[in-house]
Amino acid sequence: NAGVTQTPKFQVLKTGQSMTLQCAQDMNHNSMYWYRQDPGMGLRLIYYSASEGTTDKGEVPNGYNVSRLNKREFSLRLESAAPSQTSVYFCASSQRGLSQPQHFGDGTRLSIL
Amino acid sequence: GQQVMQIPQYQHVQEGEDFTTYCNSSTTLSNIQWYKQRPGGHPVFLIQLVKSGEVKKQKRLTFQFGEAKKNSSLHITATQTTDVGTYFCAGNQAGTALIFGKGTTLSVSS
Repeated sequence: NAGVTQTPKFQVLKTGQSMTLQCAQDMNHNSMYWYRQDPGMGLRLIYYSASEGTTDKGEVPNGYNVSRLNKREFSLRLESAAPSQTSVYFCASSQRGLSQPQHFGDGTRLSIL
Repeated sequence: GQQVMQIPQYQHVQEGEDFTTYCNSSTTLSNIQWYKQRPGGHPVFLIQLVKSGEVKKQKRLTFQFGEAKKNSSLHITATQTTDVGTYFCAGNQAGTALIFGKGTTLSVSS
């Protein structure tokens, strides 16, 4: 009964390093999302995957790439981390279609020095 | 592009007082959703509204969707310390991704 699982929970990187944030859901959901949350900015959509095999840019995609590995997994990659990417990253999933309620993971707290 | 605005950004109340947060969209929405995020936690879905003028209640929480489907509100009656957190609205047009408002952070003193 895990729901949406994100790894790692915390990470510190140096500027220029790369890293992949992992997300997996066990609810057989079709759609998956990556958000970043910064103080006073709410939740901003980075990328989403409406269904397996498709990905689309959200509001703030620059500096990120995504891979929908299969129906369960959706990863977010930072190729060359920058201090402006210090944030809390949330992965979410929804059952069917972009208007369905979303279930969120616990988040990854990422600091880039 | 589509924008979803929420006011107020912060609200402090005494326990037992009522609380309301408002959400306004620049475009007509196909649905609006409300989420709650406790401090240090993740957003949790509360409710979805899809019909013009719809009103839904969950215990002390009342959610409304405007007649024009461009605004919404969440009203909490007689707040409790367990209501502390940030409340987000999120809306979209059909076929597009949800856009979240910046949230209203509620603090409650006993």
